[in-house]
Amino acid sequence: GAVVSQHPSWVICKSGTSVKIECRSLDFQATTMFWYRQFPKQSLMLMATSNEGSKATYEQGVEKDKFLINHASLTLSTLTVTSAHPEDSSFYICSAPDYPAYNEQFFGPGTRLTVL
Amino acid sequence: GENVEQHPSTLSVQEGDSAVIKCTYSDSASNYFPWYKQELGKRPQLIIDIRSNVGEKKDQRIAVTLNKTAKHFSLHITETQPEDSAVYFCAASRGNQFYFGTGTSLTVIP
Repeated sequence: GAVVSQHPSWVICKSGTSVKIECRSLDFQATTMFWYRQFPKQSLMLMATSNEGSKATYEQGVEKDKFLINHASLTLSTLTVTSAHPEDSSFYICSAPDYPAYNEQFFGPGTRLTVL
Repeated sequence: GENVEQHPSTLSVQEGDSAVIKCTYSDSASNYFPWYKQELGKRPQLIIDIRSNVGEKKDQRIAVTLNKTAKHFSLHITETQPEDSAVYFCAASRGNQFYFGTGTSLTVIP
């Protein structure tokens, strides 16, 4: 199946700094990508839909100025956690549906963010 | 939007027994229902899926059933093995947006 990569896989940062997470579709084009947040032993919570060439669509309760999303190309979406705080520590996963069929979601390996 | 509920949240079974996980959804327009298995710290992996025009699908020890009228679908794992231990998520989708259930932590006891 299709491959989605994420970078970095693990990041530790100080409170107040910004962290950028990249999500890449390696062998297919992704006009849409999704960003999820996952707390330990909990489900995937959809944060936002990243759309190539247009603004991201955020789920209710997700601060768009806090979590900046840029879908720079058909294979790359970035999530920037701005002014990170310890409560932002989480596992962040992106996914992309196979375009244009939209038959399946392919997940990245996730990025573990720890904010000290 | 869509609301997906999943039960139970934890499930322990003896090796060789069957495991059943159930999900309900709220949006009657949802038409694709995948199930994912996630091991600790890893990405979710698709294990089986079903579309709204099908009532049941089976793949070796794994099966999924869908009741569109009642808006619920279930995952059945037979002859469970220790390597089946993981967290399982159901999801409901319409188009390219997926909404996940709360997850079930399955433990298979050898």
